[in-house]
Amino acid sequence: QQQVKQSPQSLIVQKGGISIINCAYENTAFDYFPWYQQFPGKGPALLIAIRPDVSEKKEGRFTISFNKSAKQFSLHIMDSQPGDSATYFCAALLSGGYQKVTFGIGTKLQVIP
Amino acid sequence: GAVVSQHPSWVICKSGTSVKIECRSLDFQATTMFWYRQFPKQSLMLMATSNEGSKATYEQGVEKDKFLINHASLTLSTLTVTSAHPEDSSFYICSARDTGQVYLFGPGTRLTVL
Repeated sequence: QQQVKQSPQSLIVQKGGISIINCAYENTAFDYFPWYQQFPGKGPALLIAIRPDVSEKKEGRFTISFNKSAKQFSLHIMDSQPGDSATYFCAALLSGGYQKVTFGIGTKLQVIP
Repeated sequence: GAVVSQHPSWVICKSGTSVKIECRSLDFQATTMFWYRQFPKQSLMLMATSNEGSKATYEQGVEKDKFLINHASLTLSTLTVTSAHPEDSSFYICSARDTGQVYLFGPGTRLTVL
């Protein structure tokens, strides 16, 4: 059972455009939602994260929007750059203790000049 | 700053041999570490949770006798792939929690079994 559904699986955006990746979760007990960026041959790196008591969080060009009632959250990359080309994973986990991170399937983003 | 490192970054071995992958937490202690496996163009799949000083907890379907995990100190966990076969070829990534809910991931180890 896929607990975190992510779409699209691939995305092509022109330089300067907005990249939008969507995720939906099923387990209402999840209370921490990070996004990870992974370049080929590298491990995932934490990009930005949000808790369900906040509807939006912005860090630089990256913004997470969170809709608790719909159990959905999304990543927006403003002014997308070729250097943003990577695979992005949304994730969800329970806070407290040491919890396993449940990942979405991943979105391969390509930003073309 | 806090970093998770892995060694080696890549390894090629012959079928039937065993391979050990190390995962270290730098500048922080990790009583719990996580081992993931990632196939090309796929997401990360949790294999096991490594606990310092106790037995690892394996996810359903993961062979504990094939993937031996040892977490002997607060900064080191090892994954040994025993009697490796070509189907074990994959990208192995470890993770540890730093402060709060920040889970750091290692750079990964590419295992190729010939």
